[in-house]
Amino acid sequence: DAGVTQSPTHLIKTRGQQVTLRCSPKSGHDTVSWYQQALGQGPQFIFQYYEEEERQRGNFPDRFSGHQFPNYSSELNVNALLLGDSALYLCASSLWGTGDSYGYTFGSGTRLTVV
Amino acid sequence: AQSVTQLGSHVSVSEGALVLLRCNYSSSVPPYLFWYVQYPNQGLQLLLKYTTGATLVKGINGFEAEFKKSETSFHLTKPSAHMSDAAEYFCAVTRSGNTPLVFGKGTRLSVIA
Repeated sequence: DAGVTQSPTHLIKTRGQQVTLRCSPKSGHDTVSWYQQALGQGPQFIFQYYEEEERQRGNFPDRFSGHQFPNYSSELNVNALLLGDSALYLCASSLWGTGDSYGYTFGSGTRLTVV
Repeated sequence: AQSVTQLGSHVSVSEGALVLLRCNYSSSVPPYLFWYVQYPNQGLQLLLKYTTGATLVKGINGFEAEFKKSETSFHLTKPSAHMSDAAEYFCAVTRSGNTPLVFGKGTRLSVIA
């Protein structure tokens, strides 16, 4: 049973560029959440997608956007990259309405470095 | 708003010694509490969770945690540390099925031989 798959695993981008990160949820899950984990910090919630719509959003600027596809996979897009966007980006999947009971399954993350 | 405070950014124990990682939460509604572990260059793995019912929760790898409402705490313990327990541990809280997790800053556990 495949868990959460994220790609790529590592990425180096230049300031001002745009980046797209991808996530395939665990089989049977229909909800995808994205988190940013800066070095030495806990993960911070970016946004959550269900039924191809953004359902909740954390305190992140509009430069961060996302998409969910009919097969429940998701993309995270970041425009106009800043040095401060360097972080580990984690994707978490769940079944809508059950995150509190069953928790969220996390992928291994994409390490983004902005130079 | 919910929040989590993890006391001690770094904890060091000897192999075989008791592991105690502290977590205090703030929530205006009954919380759902989680502990996750992160090994170097990896994602988060769920150790255990408290939803409702029994306040002493057992998880994987011999870890357990006790929900104490009066102390707003959810400390993680393990009777005997193993070298393989060295990792970063995160406590998280949420309040409903779809509400995002709010994480603490993490505690790095080192195990000394």
